[in-house]
Amino acid sequence: DTGVSQNPRHKITKRGQNVTFRCDPISEHNRLYWYRQTLGQGPEFLTYFQNEAQLEKSRLLSDRFSAERPKGSFSTLEIQRTEQGDSAMYLCASSLARDPVNEQFFGPGTRLTVL
Amino acid sequence: QQQVKQSPQSLIVQKGGISIINCAYENTAFDYFPWYQQFPGKGPALLIAIRPDVSEKKEGRFTISFNKSAKQFSLHIMDSQPGDSATYFCAASSAGNQFYFGTGTSLTVIP
Repeated sequence: DTGVSQNPRHKITKRGQNVTFRCDPISEHNRLYWYRQTLGQGPEFLTYFQNEAQLEKSRLLSDRFSAERPKGSFSTLEIQRTEQGDSAMYLCASSLARDPVNEQFFGPGTRLTVL
Repeated sequence: QQQVKQSPQSLIVQKGGISIINCAYENTAFDYFPWYQQFPGKGPALLIAIRPDVSEKKEGRFTISFNKSAKQFSLHIMDSQPGDSATYFCAASSAGNQFYFGTGTSLTVIP
């Protein structure tokens, strides 16, 4: 399967713990996006990378959140000192930045539950 | 604030009918307007997208109508089928940077 993959698919953690999620984009895609989606809402942008550079980060993103894409391939999203409000689906998407098309392909998401 | 406003929140349509979902935006810098379909437990999947230099785009049973002056765009699903039952999101972006999504429309197609 050459689509976007995310691991783990589900994560249950206790409040205050740190969690890390991984996203593997489609191999030739140079852009990678992270979103958060809560029940009944649309995906909310968190951050995105072009190659290994983090180009944009949502102002709503707490300092407890950090993302990396060290070699321009896979990416990790870490949440430190989790809070119950962090419970959500975390989605990753990738695209090939080219004009005029910029189609994003989404992974299946990681569902986080903070107890 | 909500950059893209979507309505209705939910929609029930008879099989064979037309489903219409509307979105509005404010930022005139947006230059890419995709629609996504999402099934429970899955990530969104791109359905169809449009750029502001055209007023309509059709792919199979799915059509986007785009009104640049009104800053509105809509998705029309012709001959709606039970398999179309899903949540639909409109979105907008500028130069493929940050994407802003609507709040979603839950579509139910009754057999």
